[in-house]
Amino acid sequence: GQNIDQPTEMTATEGAIVQINCTYQTSGFNGLFWYQQHAGEAPTFLSYNVLDGLEEKGRFSSFLSRSKGYSYLLLKELQMKDSASYLCAVSDSNYQLIWGAGTKLIIKP
Amino acid sequence: IAGITQAPTSQILAAGRRMTLRCTQDMRHNAMYWYRQDLGLGLRLIHYSNTAGTTGKGEVPDGYSVSRANTDDFPLTLASAVPSQTSVYFCASSDQAGGLGNEQFFGPGTRLTVL
Repeated sequence: GQNIDQPTEMTATEGAIVQINCTYQTSGFNGLFWYQQHAGEAPTFLSYNVLDGLEEKGRFSSFLSRSKGYSYLLLKELQMKDSASYLCAVSDSNYQLIWGAGTKLIIKP
Repeated sequence: IAGITQAPTSQILAAGRRMTLRCTQDMRHNAMYWYRQDLGLGLRLIHYSNTAGTTGKGEVPDGYSVSRANTDDFPLTLASAVPSQTSVYFCASSDQAGGLGNEQFFGPGTRLTVL
């Protein structure tokens, strides 16, 4: 079966760094997406990885290891507005997205 | 309008009633999707359309139907609603159905409660 695992909830302090992990087992792999979803809102795109390594985009970075079926999203200089759920999704062999349940990130002052 | 719109924003529905959730995009995207999001679960694909005139079943299609008469509109119909269909429904679109890095754009969602 296909499976995406992420921690349910994480807590971090404003100004700090947090790493959100995602492991996956899917039928085929055509890339991994990270989305941000604020409570009561729609998911919005953050990053895409298809090759191994780190992709940096401002305060957010995303890492992929295809051999390990593993990715992480790194958020630096945390701000209160970063409080949200972070969704990991893998594009499978049919280019359909398989979604994890999301990690709720709580930022404390 | 810019992006994807959904209607209604929220709805309370009696079990057994028929309901159509509307979705319209103005980005001229070829592919469109319907997901449901339930607490503790990831987004689950209900139906999709790779291009106007074609539709396909996703992971949880039972009890739902869709149509894609044109590029912009992708309505989702519940023929006879049941309480287990209580959920938040998101419509999404992408430029193409496949291809690497094919980002999906989401509508604001419809919160549906079936009593």
